[in-house]
Amino acid sequence: DQQVKQNSPSLSVQEGRISILNCDYTNSMFDYFLWYKKYPAEGPTFLISISSIKDKNEDGRFTVFLNKSAKHLSLHIVPSQPGDSAVYFCAASAGVGGTSYGKLTFGQGTILTVHP
Amino acid sequence: DSGVTQTPKHLITATGQRVTLRCSPRSGDLSVYWYQQSLDQGLQFLIQYYNGEERAKGNILERFSAQQFPDLHSELNLSSLELGDSALYFCASSVSRGGYQETQYFGPGTRLLVL
Repeated sequence: DQQVKQNSPSLSVQEGRISILNCDYTNSMFDYFLWYKKYPAEGPTFLISISSIKDKNEDGRFTVFLNKSAKHLSLHIVPSQPGDSAVYFCAASAGVGGTSYGKLTFGQGTILTVHP
Repeated sequence: DSGVTQTPKHLITATGQRVTLRCSPRSGDLSVYWYQQSLDQGLQFLIQYYNGEERAKGNILERFSAQQFPDLHSELNLSSLELGDSALYFCASSVSRGGYQETQYFGPGTRLLVL
Protein backbone atom coordinates (compact mmCIF):
# COMPACT_ATOMS: atom_id res chain seq x y z
CA ASP A 1 0.00 0.00 0.00
CA GLN A 2 1.76 3.11 -1.24
CA GLN A 3 0.74 5.93 1.08
CA VAL A 4 2.73 8.60 -0.72
CA LYS A 5 2.59 8.73 -4.50
CA GLN A 6 4.40 10.75 -7.10
CA ASN A 7 2.57 9.85 -10.26
CA SER A 8 4.94 11.53 -12.69
CA PRO A 9 8.18 9.56 -13.03
CA SER A 10 9.77 12.40 -14.97
CA LEU A 11 9.39 16.06 -15.87
CA SER A 12 11.24 18.10 -18.46
CA VAL A 13 11.33 21.90 -18.24
CA GLN A 14 13.10 24.74 -20.03
CA GLU A 15 15.53 26.88 -18.04
CA GLY A 16 13.81 29.92 -16.56
CA ARG A 17 10.35 28.37 -16.59
CA ILE A 18 8.40 26.98 -13.65
CA SER A 19 8.77 23.36 -12.54
CA ILE A 20 5.80 21.85 -10.72
CA LEU A 21 6.24 18.53 -9.00
CA ASN A 22 3.21 16.81 -7.52
CA CYS A 23 2.63 14.40 -4.68
CA ASP A 24 -0.49 12.70 -3.32
CA TYR A 25 -0.95 10.93 -0.02
CA THR A 26 -3.60 8.71 1.47
CA ASN A 27 -2.84 8.61 5.21
CA SER A 28 -4.79 11.34 7.00
CA MET A 29 -2.46 11.00 10.01
CA PHE A 30 0.40 12.62 8.09
CA ASP A 31 1.05 16.06 9.55
CA TYR A 32 4.47 17.05 8.23
CA PHE A 33 5.64 16.97 4.65
CA LEU A 34 9.09 17.38 3.18
CA TRP A 35 10.74 17.60 -0.22
CA TYR A 36 14.19 16.20 -0.85
CA LYS A 37 16.44 16.47 -3.87
CA LYS A 38 18.77 13.63 -4.77
CA TYR A 39 21.70 13.47 -7.16
CA PRO A 40 23.09 10.10 -8.27
CA ALA A 41 25.49 8.54 -5.76
CA GLU A 42 24.52 11.06 -3.05
CA GLY A 43 22.10 11.06 -0.17
CA PRO A 44 18.79 12.96 -0.29
CA THR A 45 19.23 16.68 0.44
CA PHE A 46 16.49 18.47 2.36
CA LEU A 47 14.85 21.27 0.36
CA ILE A 48 11.73 22.52 2.07
CA SER A 49 8.97 21.35 4.39
CA ILE A 50 5.45 22.25 5.40
CA SER A 51 3.37 21.39 8.43
CA SER A 52 -0.28 20.46 8.16
CA ILE A 53 -1.41 23.71 9.76
CA LYS A 54 -0.15 25.69 6.77
CA ASP A 55 -1.07 25.66 3.11
CA LYS A 56 2.04 27.33 1.72
CA ASN A 57 5.70 27.67 2.57
CA GLU A 58 8.32 29.57 0.58
CA ASP A 59 12.09 29.47 0.59
CA GLY A 60 13.75 31.39 -2.20
CA ARG A 61 12.93 29.78 -5.53
CA PHE A 62 11.09 26.92 -3.86
CA THR A 63 7.47 26.99 -2.74
CA VAL A 64 5.48 24.07 -1.38
CA PHE A 65 1.69 24.08 -1.43
CA LEU A 66 -0.45 21.78 0.67
CA ASN A 67 -4.11 20.99 -0.04
CA LYS A 68 -5.24 18.88 2.89
CA SER A 69 -8.75 18.27 1.63
CA ALA A 70 -7.35 16.82 -1.58
CA LYS A 71 -4.41 15.16 0.22
CA HIS A 72 -2.13 16.75 -2.33
CA LEU A 73 1.06 18.75 -2.19
CA SER A 74 3.17 20.32 -4.86
CA LEU A 75 6.64 21.83 -5.15
CA HIS A 76 7.10 24.85 -7.39
CA ILE A 77 10.57 25.87 -8.55
CA VAL A 78 10.76 29.32 -10.12
CA PRO A 79 12.83 30.00 -12.13
CA SER A 80 14.15 26.55 -12.92
CA GLN A 81 17.89 26.18 -13.46
CA PRO A 82 19.93 23.37 -15.05
CA GLY A 83 21.47 22.67 -11.62
CA ASP A 84 18.00 21.74 -10.39
CA SER A 85 18.12 18.60 -12.53
CA ALA A 86 17.86 15.74 -10.03
CA VAL A 87 15.39 13.28 -8.55
CA TYR A 88 12.84 14.90 -6.24
CA PHE A 89 11.20 12.94 -3.45
CA CYS A 90 8.28 13.98 -1.35
CA ALA A 91 8.04 12.47 2.11
CA ALA A 92 5.56 12.54 4.95
CA SER A 93 5.54 11.78 8.66
CA ALA A 94 2.81 11.20 11.22
CA GLY A 95 4.24 12.65 14.40
CA VAL A 96 1.27 13.49 16.55
CA GLY A 97 -0.57 10.49 17.92
CA GLY A 98 1.35 8.08 15.75
CA THR A 99 3.48 5.18 16.81
CA SER A 100 6.12 5.62 14.15
CA TYR A 101 7.27 9.03 15.27
CA GLY A 102 10.27 9.41 13.11
CA LYS A 103 9.34 7.31 10.14
CA LEU A 104 9.37 9.13 6.83
CA THR A 105 7.26 7.60 4.09
CA PHE A 106 8.64 8.48 0.68
CA GLY A 107 7.14 8.73 -2.76
CA GLN A 108 8.85 6.99 -5.66
CA GLY A 109 10.48 10.17 -6.90
CA THR A 110 10.24 12.37 -9.99
CA ILE A 111 13.23 12.92 -12.26
CA LEU A 112 13.41 16.61 -13.13
CA THR A 113 15.44 17.66 -16.15
CA VAL A 114 15.96 21.35 -16.77
CA HIS A 115 17.20 22.12 -20.27
CA PRO A 116 19.40 25.17 -20.92
CA ASP B 1 27.31 18.46 3.21
CA SER B 2 24.56 17.44 5.65
CA GLY B 3 26.96 16.68 8.52
CA VAL B 4 25.91 13.03 8.60
CA THR B 5 28.73 10.63 7.77
CA GLN B 6 28.52 7.02 6.69
CA THR B 7 31.17 4.38 6.18
CA PRO B 8 32.02 2.55 4.08
CA LYS B 9 30.84 4.19 0.87
CA HIS B 10 30.87 0.91 -1.03
CA LEU B 11 30.76 -2.68 0.12
CA ILE B 12 30.98 -5.84 -1.96
CA THR B 13 30.43 -9.16 -0.28
CA ALA B 14 29.12 -12.65 -0.87
CA THR B 15 25.84 -14.33 -0.01
CA GLY B 16 25.69 -15.67 3.52
CA GLN B 17 28.14 -13.12 4.86
CA ARG B 18 27.65 -10.45 7.53
CA VAL B 19 28.48 -6.75 7.23
CA THR B 20 28.32 -3.70 9.47
CA LEU B 21 27.44 -0.23 8.24
CA ARG B 22 28.35 2.76 10.36
CA CYS B 23 26.73 6.16 10.74
CA SER B 24 27.67 9.29 12.68
CA PRO B 25 24.84 11.80 13.10
CA ARG B 26 25.10 15.57 12.86
CA SER B 27 26.59 17.17 15.92
CA GLY B 28 23.87 17.51 18.57
CA ASP B 29 21.34 15.23 16.88
CA LEU B 30 19.92 12.53 19.13
CA SER B 31 17.98 10.41 16.64
CA VAL B 32 19.40 8.18 13.95
CA TYR B 33 17.32 6.56 11.23
CA TRP B 34 18.18 3.84 8.74
CA TYR B 35 16.60 3.60 5.28
CA GLN B 36 17.05 1.16 2.44
CA GLN B 37 16.75 2.19 -1.19
CA SER B 38 16.39 -0.62 -3.68
CA LEU B 39 15.44 -0.32 -7.33
CA ASP B 40 11.96 -1.74 -6.95
CA GLN B 41 11.04 -0.52 -3.46
CA GLY B 42 12.21 3.07 -3.32
CA LEU B 43 13.28 4.54 0.02
CA GLN B 44 12.02 2.36 2.85
CA PHE B 45 12.29 3.12 6.55
CA LEU B 46 14.04 0.41 8.54
CA ILE B 47 14.52 1.58 12.11
CA GLN B 48 14.98 4.63 14.35
CA TYR B 49 17.10 5.04 17.48
CA TYR B 50 16.73 7.95 19.86
CA ASN B 51 19.43 8.59 22.45
CA GLY B 52 20.51 4.96 22.48
CA GLU B 53 17.10 3.34 22.48
CA GLU B 54 15.00 1.89 19.70
CA ARG B 55 12.18 4.34 18.93
CA ALA B 56 10.38 3.06 15.87
CA LYS B 57 10.61 0.06 13.62
CA GLY B 58 9.73 -0.32 9.98
CA ASN B 59 10.13 -3.13 7.49
CA ILE B 60 13.39 -4.40 8.91
CA LEU B 61 14.21 -8.05 8.38
CA GLU B 62 15.05 -10.27 11.35
CA ARG B 63 18.48 -10.82 9.78
CA PHE B 64 19.13 -7.11 10.23
CA SER B 65 19.82 -5.39 13.52
CA ALA B 66 20.97 -1.98 14.64
CA GLN B 67 22.18 -0.18 17.71
CA GLN B 68 23.09 3.31 18.82
CA PHE B 69 26.08 3.79 21.06
CA PRO B 70 26.63 6.28 23.93
CA ASP B 71 28.49 8.62 21.57
CA LEU B 72 25.32 8.50 19.40
CA HIS B 73 26.88 6.87 16.38
CA SER B 74 24.90 3.94 15.03
CA GLU B 75 25.66 0.64 13.33
CA LEU B 76 23.42 -1.43 11.09
CA ASN B 77 24.30 -5.10 11.02
CA LEU B 78 23.19 -7.21 8.08
CA SER B 79 23.68 -10.97 8.34
CA SER B 80 23.08 -14.06 6.22
CA LEU B 81 23.13 -11.76 3.24
CA GLU B 82 21.08 -12.54 0.17
CA LEU B 83 21.28 -11.19 -3.37
CA GLY B 84 18.14 -9.17 -2.72
CA ASP B 85 19.85 -7.22 0.07
CA SER B 86 21.88 -5.36 -2.53
CA ALA B 87 20.79 -1.76 -2.16
CA LEU B 88 21.74 1.70 -1.00
CA TYR B 89 21.55 2.09 2.76
CA PHE B 90 21.06 5.61 4.07
CA CYS B 91 21.39 6.93 7.55
CA ALA B 92 19.65 10.12 8.62
CA SER B 93 19.64 12.10 11.83
CA SER B 94 17.37 14.62 13.52
CA VAL B 95 17.63 16.80 16.56
CA SER B 96 15.17 15.03 18.85
CA ARG B 97 12.62 12.21 18.95
CA GLY B 98 11.44 12.72 15.40
CA GLY B 99 8.06 13.45 13.88
CA TYR B 100 6.21 16.72 13.79
CA GLN B 101 8.25 19.54 12.26
CA GLU B 102 11.45 17.63 12.70
CA THR B 103 13.58 17.41 9.59
CA GLN B 104 15.80 14.46 8.90
CA TYR B 105 19.19 15.04 7.29
CA PHE B 106 20.67 12.25 5.26
CA GLY B 107 24.17 10.90 4.88
CA PRO B 108 25.75 9.99 1.53
CA GLY B 109 24.80 6.31 1.85
CA THR B 110 26.53 2.95 1.65
CA ARG B 111 26.14 1.00 -1.55
CA LEU B 112 26.00 -2.72 -0.76
CA LEU B 113 26.46 -5.30 -3.48
CA VAL B 114 25.92 -8.94 -2.59
CA LEU B 115 27.35 -11.40 -5.12
